[in-house]
Amino acid sequence: QKEVEQNSGPLSVPEGAIASLNCTYSDRVSQSFFWYRQYSGKSPELIMSIYSNGDKEDGRFTAQLNKASQYVSLLIRDSQPSDSATYLCAVIAGTASKLTFGTGTRLQVTL
Amino acid sequence: GAVVSQHPSWVICKSGTSVKIECRSLDFQATTMFWYRQFPKQSLMLMATSNEGSKATYEQGVEKDKFLINHASLTLSTLTVTSAHPEDSSFYICSPNPGTGGNEQFFGPGTRLTVL
Repeated sequence: QKEVEQNSGPLSVPEGAIASLNCTYSDRVSQSFFWYRQYSGKSPELIMSIYSNGDKEDGRFTAQLNKASQYVSLLIRDSQPSDSATYLCAVIAGTASKLTFGTGTRLQVTL
Repeated sequence: GAVVSQHPSWVICKSGTSVKIECRSLDFQATTMFWYRQFPKQSLMLMATSNEGSKATYEQGVEKDKFLINHASLTLSTLTVTSAHPEDSSFYICSPNPGTGGNEQFFGPGTRLTVL
């Protein structure tokens, strides 16, 4: 079983719609959760971090964490073509600050 | 976010040669450095973790004699791919960590290595 799982996509949404990206993780002691955006040929860029259950909003982005169900999601409101990228879910489970990444979900925002 | 640079941004080399990649944290001191690689259409995989002045700790399956990591200062770490082969072609990305307790990690721009 993979430690961090994401649907590889592509997830296609029309411009202006809400994109919903999901991630599940297997290690129950996971403490820190991150969403990164990666454009083709570029390195990942941190979008959101979340550490406690519930929602965390930052502009058009909302991260949701449910530790009981071991899932974390990212909502992107008013999706723009510039949001088209691969979104990586990452988790830290121990004290060594080692990130474990999912395989990423490719998002396509269509005009 | 933190300012991180990597050099070179891309390199093409012949099989059997060695390639050195530099990673610099420009606006903070990195007590810990993480090195990742990413093969096409795959996610990032942690290769090794190094603390300034100490030997690096390598992840399972990563050859320490092939991927030499030096973290001699708090602002500079290098990764040397020795005797590179085509299967080492990948995107190498560093992530310096200031070690101040925050868990958010930022990445360098990456180095695209192509071994012919």
